[in-house]
Amino acid sequence: DGGITQSPKYLFRKEGQNVTLSCEQNLNHDAMYWYRQDPGQGLRLIYYSQIVNDFQKGDIAEGYSVSREKKESFPLTVTSAQKNPTAFYLCASSQSRDRGHGYTFGSGTRLTVV
Amino acid sequence: QQQVKQSPQSLIVQKGGISIINCAYENTAFDYFPWYQQFPGKGPALLIAIRPDVSEKKEGRFTISFNKSAKQFSLHIMDSQPGDSATYFCAASPSWSSASKIIFGSGTRLSIRP
Repeated sequence: DGGITQSPKYLFRKEGQNVTLSCEQNLNHDAMYWYRQDPGQGLRLIYYSQIVNDFQKGDIAEGYSVSREKKESFPLTVTSAQKNPTAFYLCASSQSRDRGHGYTFGSGTRLTVV
Repeated sequence: QQQVKQSPQSLIVQKGGISIINCAYENTAFDYFPWYQQFPGKGPALLIAIRPDVSEKKEGRFTISFNKSAKQFSLHIMDSQPGDSATYFCAASPSWSSASKIIFGSGTRLSIRP
């Protein structure tokens, strides 16, 4: 079955550590996105990529970094510069020329700072 | 101008009743309005979507009503069931035919009482 796989499901980070969240899709979608979800604040865009080797900052990119070396993969690194990283992180993808189907989301990674 | 405002933040409806969630937008360039449904611990899933050239779209018990002049749209869930209990997000995007970032509302937590 085609879909988006996010791993790990749960992740714990110590203060000052960088951590990387994995996102892989086998839908052959061109575009991929990372969102952060906090209670009562909806979904906020961190980074997005429309093609391989290119990506743009979203609304809350500070303290995060991404790469898009392969069409299928869009990993997100939460750096030590992100002061409040505890949140639910969602990866999504979409087909650039078939927007009527909207985004397909992964099941998310819950990151907690310990 | 990029915001999508959603209300109410939470909603409790008796089984069999009608659930109504409202959204408003400011950017007249938006031309794609999807609704997403999210269950706890899962990623959002596309529920139904509409373009501004139609005033209503119905899929089963779910109906989107769209008022272009007022820049408002709403989701109606008829004969609401306990299985409909979830968080619902309205959203808007400036492009139907090519990949571009979707702007999400803040979400409505819907609870259906048996």
